[in-house]
Amino acid sequence: KQEVTQIPAALSVPEGENLVLNCSFTDSAIYNLQWFRQDPGKGLTSLLLIQSSQREQTSGRLNASLDKSSGRSTLYIAASQPGDSATYLCAVPTGANSKLTFGKGITLSVRP
Amino acid sequence: DTEVTQTPKHLVMGMTNKKSLKCEQHMGHRAMYWYKQKAKKPPELMFVYSYEKLSINESVPSRFSPECPNSSLLNLHLHALQPEDSALYLCASSHTQLNTEAFFGQGTRLTVV
Repeated sequence: KQEVTQIPAALSVPEGENLVLNCSFTDSAIYNLQWFRQDPGKGLTSLLLIQSSQREQTSGRLNASLDKSSGRSTLYIAASQPGDSATYLCAVPTGANSKLTFGKGITLSVRP
Repeated sequence: DTEVTQTPKHLVMGMTNKKSLKCEQHMGHRAMYWYKQKAKKPPELMFVYSYEKLSINESVPSRFSPECPNSSLLNLHLHALQPEDSALYLCASSHTQLNTEAFFGQGTRLTVV
């Protein structure tokens, strides 16, 4: 059974810091991994989808990496801003139906 | 356009009411999903429609009834809900059900009184 873990559950950093959010998964036979952002009481915004054949995917200040063999993905945020404060979730499709298995998320607070 | 639109944004309903949540996408996606999310928890899958046919029902109580009238629309009919059903209900869509990027709507905040 696929399990997705995100540690720590919460993170607080000063503005301008570069930071890394971690995501680990137990079954390395994945097709892709998706990172989402969720603001309080809002829906999920897709940030990056990284295919199993890729090692990295970039969008603006965000960079996601994937290491299938070690069951890990990281989301790198460069020059963090208060507007980056949100919960970040990673998810992988699991099983024959590709049901998304989510981590519990990391709540990020960027202090001005 | 990568938008999934959900209406209403907020809904308060009594336990004897009947209401519906609506979801719409115009990305040509053929898979649509309903998720339920409680505070500080990740989304939990409820239903999946693939090519307008119900593909997955995650043992959801019958007081929740999904409907997919066409490839762009997804409804969730609610009847005789309980206070513990209060949650954020999220709709999502993807190109197909298998291993493609999921796009979520902004959700409907449901309160059952």
